[in-house]
Amino acid sequence: DAGITQSPRHKVTETGTPVTLRCHQTENHRYMYWYRQDPGHGLRLIHYSYGVKDTDKGEVSDGYSVSRSKTEDFLLTLESATSSQTSVYFCAISESGTENSPLHFGNGTRLTVT
Amino acid sequence: AQSVTQLGSHVSVSEGALVLLRCNYSSSVPPYLFWYVQYPNQGLQLLLKYTSAATLVKGINGFEAEFKKSETSFHLTKPSAHMSDAAEYFCAVSDLRGGADGLTFGKGTHLIIQP
Repeated sequence: DAGITQSPRHKVTETGTPVTLRCHQTENHRYMYWYRQDPGHGLRLIHYSYGVKDTDKGEVSDGYSVSRSKTEDFLLTLESATSSQTSVYFCAISESGTENSPLHFGNGTRLTVT
Repeated sequence: AQSVTQLGSHVSVSEGALVLLRCNYSSSVPPYLFWYVQYPNQGLQLLLKYTSAATLVKGINGFEAEFKKSETSFHLTKPSAHMSDAAEYFCAVSDLRGGADGLTFGKGTHLIIQP
């Protein structure tokens, strides 16, 4: 298994509060990704990073920000959580970031916004 | 942009029967395609990938997929289903802009195995 740890695994928070999810990798891979998984939508890309301090937006980036100050850590922040952000969040990593390079996933964080 | 369509949100087969999960892609050029499996409360695990080296791709757990350009398809099959195959399966395609911005996933197919 790829060395990817997501924390926390479960979180319940209230609408309007800030939330930060952490992804930690031990593979020293350059590329890291945050996806959200929702029934009927599959996985959708939120943000990704192609190096320290190099990030870009994905398909569903509104309401989310990310930071990557070290190769091994990629943080996802919900500045002011909303009920629509209730989801399962997955972090993924890629060794080369090329088009034939598969992603390796963490076990996810289940976030509930009440 | 690349996209994939998975036909059937739920597929039910009997144990020992053929498993066929359908995936069609939209692309003007041959894409890179992937199948992933997700067991309950876990992340996605790579089953196999197509990278143009061979049209028939063998993966883990006895699964294989065949790339058919004429049909723009990349269906996943397994000759004989096991109870342990019950899971969610995702087809994914790589964006040809370089892949650094990740994969685009289908909506998933939930495979149910009947005893």
